[in-house]
Amino acid sequence: GESVGLHLPTLSVQEGDNSIINCAYSNSASDYFIWYKQESGKGPQFIIDIRSNMDKRQGQRVTVLLNKTVKHLSLQIAATQPGDSAVYFCAENPYNYGQNFVFGPGTRLSVLP
Amino acid sequence: KAGVTQTPRYLIKTRGQQVTLSCSPISGHRSVSWYQQTPGQGLQFLFEYFSETQRNKGNFPGRFSGRQFSNSRSEMNVSTLELGDSALYLCASSPGRGSEQYFGPGTRLTVT
Repeated sequence: GESVGLHLPTLSVQEGDNSIINCAYSNSASDYFIWYKQESGKGPQFIIDIRSNMDKRQGQRVTVLLNKTVKHLSLQIAATQPGDSAVYFCAENPYNYGQNFVFGPGTRLSVLP
Repeated sequence: KAGVTQTPRYLIKTRGQQVTLSCSPISGHRSVSWYQQTPGQGLQFLFEYFSETQRNKGNFPGRFSGRQFSNSRSEMNVSTLELGDSALYLCASSPGRGSEQYFGPGTRLTVT
């Protein structure tokens, strides 16, 4: 079936370093992608999105890259801070009708002091 | 704007009972989607409502149902609860297809 997978289930980085979280998606028909951050006990928080007609999109300290050729997404976080510690999910919408996203298993990001 | 709100935040039910969860989307958002989150299965799509109509449905049994009201508020119902229904139930709202989707804090359901 369709799935969105992450290469690394856990990632530890030093405070101040840049983080890169990767995601592989399986449906070439997906045209919209979202990255979410989920802290313990909270719902997923929208970070940044990208459409399939773009290769890159930047936000505040975050950049999402999309490589449609190999069906790969990445989330880059600049100058990682302790508050960035959370689980990060990528989500794809492979359907041309509706808002039913397929989520990856998530990557836990731990920021070391 | 106020965010997505969900009530109640926590529920404890017994097997065989039924439960109703409520979601109020962000003002102006017409699409409400429901997801189930468990440690084993991750985040899984349940169904989506748009303008009071179910637009999409995930691969869940018929015990899971929902509805949306004219003010876009949505409810989901789970009948004949099973232990495996214990999960965090998340509601997300968006203006429409292909747009940003925002989540509420979730309802933690525990079935004993």
